Amino acid sequence: GIQVEQSPPDLILQEGANSTLRCNFSDSVNNLQWFHQNPWGQLINLFYIPSGTKQNGRLSATTVATERYSLLYISSSQTTDSGVYFCAVAYSNYQLIWGAGTKLIIKP
Amino acid sequence: DARVTQTPRHKVTEMGQEVTMRCQPILGHNTVFWYRQTMMQGLELLAYFRNRAPLDDSGMPKDRFSAEMPDATLATLKIQPSEPRDSAVYFCASGRDRASPLHFGNGTRLTVT
Repeated sequence: GIQVEQSPPDLILQEGANSTLRCNFSDSVNNLQWFHQNPWGQLINLFYIPSGTKQNGRLSATTVATERYSLLYISSSQTTDSGVYFCAVAYSNYQLIWGAGTKLIIKP
Repeated sequence: DARVTQTPRHKVTEMGQEVTMRCQPILGHNTVFWYRQTMMQGLELLAYFRNRAPLDDSGMPKDRFSAEMPDATLATLKIQPSEPRDSAVYFCASGRDRASPLHFGNGTRLTVT
């Protein structure tokens, strides 16, 4: 099955810093999503991005499907960006394969 | 904003009791998922529905768990009898179809003593 690896596993930054989170996957996918789980446990869909680039405010994501990776960029980070960021992928079926997540802590 | 609604938010029960968790998917979404999240196992898929039909429940312990969609606005997950190892956060999620963004409810935090 598809393997999903996220890096780094942990990241601690000062407020205002920029960060790049990476998701590598082992096989072709046609479904890739980024989620943020905040400290209260809510899982928020950030991007549906099987290929290409999207931006939403301070967040943007790029997926290079041919090279089997996706990047999530967070600019001018805020304390509310803290939490765990998950990448999840699938190919031709419904079952998303989840990465282990990147735990991000933004210090004020 | 449309959102997935789950009830209850928290549930504490004693071992052996029946637990029912409810989910209202986003209107117009035809795929519904039940996930369980624990510190040890991460996010596990328990069940998947498409157009209210159960297509996959291989992630559920069959002897005690059951999932149903009596109508398009309600999905239920039942545990009978509950056990302490069932303690976890149970999430419901819905999507317009299998190749569209997945939206999660706030979860039900279950504690079985």
